[in-house]
Amino acid sequence: TQLLEQSPQFLSIQEGENLTVYCNSSSVFSSLQWYRQEPGEGPVLLVTVVTGGEVKKLKRLTFQFGDARKDSSLHITAAQPGDTGLYLCAGPMEYGNKLVFGAGTILRVKS
Amino acid sequence: NAGVMQNPRHLVRRRGQEARLRCSPVKGHSHVYWYRQLPEEGLKFMVYLQKENIIDESGMPKERFSAEFPKEGPSILRIQQVVRGDSAAYFCASASNGYTQYFGPGTRLTVL
Repeated sequence: TQLLEQSPQFLSIQEGENLTVYCNSSSVFSSLQWYRQEPGEGPVLLVTVVTGGEVKKLKRLTFQFGDARKDSSLHITAAQPGDTGLYLCAGPMEYGNKLVFGAGTILRVKS
Repeated sequence: NAGVMQNPRHLVRRRGQEARLRCSPVKGHSHVYWYRQLPEEGLKFMVYLQKENIIDESGMPKERFSAEFPKEGPSILRIQQVVRGDSAAYFCASASNGYTQYFGPGTRLTVL
């Protein structure tokens, strides 16, 4: 069974601080995706990483895919209150690409 | 471009009633996935459909739950004889090639 473990589960920081969220697995994934979900809404896709060692930047967000394609990280620089939300990593399982999700990291950025 | 649409956004049912959740995928997308998010739990896969076919229903409870994606119209997730444990947020996602999934806003089901 392919599982994704996210850490930390909860993060509360001050505006302007940096943070990193981790997504780890013992299984190899063909790709990993990061989503952000706000209360009462569906997950919104932030990025898909496909190649081992890949780094993608989205403004203040930096996403890395591990060389062995078993882990990924999300780094946020100078966090802002608008970054508050639930961050989820997900990877496709088997044929059909159904997604398995990590439990998520709840981020709260205080002004 | 319209994204994935789900309705209703909120649904309240009494135990024993039926719940019907609708999902209209992004225009042109032929792959539909349903996921459930229980309170304090992560998103879990339920079923994967393509037009008129169920491809993978390995995540769906064997009883009371069914799904369809007809040639015309939205995908429907049907829950018969709902119980309190069915209370959850149900999300639909669509994809054009099964590679990148785009999620709808979800339907929050509350069973009284």
